[in-house]
Amino acid sequence: AQRVTQPEKLLSVFKGAPVELKCNYSYSGSPELFWYVQYSRQRLQLLLRHISRESIKGFTADLNKGETSFHLKKPFAQEEDSAMYYCALDPGGTSYGKLTFGQGTILTVHP
Amino acid sequence: DTEVTQTPKHLVMGMTNKKSLKCEQHMGHRAMYWYKQKAKKPPELMFVYSYEKLSINESVPSRFSPECPNSSLLNLHLHALQPEDSALYLCASSHATNEKLFFGSGTQLSVL
Repeated sequence: AQRVTQPEKLLSVFKGAPVELKCNYSYSGSPELFWYVQYSRQRLQLLLRHISRESIKGFTADLNKGETSFHLKKPFAQEEDSAMYYCALDPGGTSYGKLTFGQGTILTVHP
Repeated sequence: DTEVTQTPKHLVMGMTNKKSLKCEQHMGHRAMYWYKQKAKKPPELMFVYSYEKLSINESVPSRFSPECPNSSLLNLHLHALQPEDSALYLCASSHATNEKLFFGSGTQLSVL
């Protein structure tokens, strides 16, 4: 069974500080990993996915298969980054679409 | 149109009622999803439709009945629900099941 763990429910940083949101997963195959974000009063939306290997809004995430982690990082946090962040896993293969979300981390960036 | 539209936004129903939630997208997506989200919890997958066929049912009770009448529409028929079914029901769509999801804003359901 697939499982996604986000150990921090709440994370607070000051503007300009680096931020790292942790995500660990357990799955025996080769899953796809995603970060979804929900800003206040907006719908849930994709931030980035590991196969794209791109930086969105200054955020990056590297899939570490050895440590089964997919941590989200940004070198200089901005107030507009305050939101709920969900790490999610798709097992792929014949189970594409079976997305499992972690519990989420609420990021607050203080001025 | 680049949105997933869900109606109604709010729904209150009794345990003996029959109601339906509707979801619509006009982005040409061929995969559509229903998720359930309880307060302060992550979304939990209920159903996946791919090319208008049910491809994943996450052991959802039969009082929830999904329907995909065409590639743009997804319904969730509700009958004899329990108070613990009260939650935010999210619809999502994607080009295919291995592509990113676009979420609707949800229907907040209260079962009395």
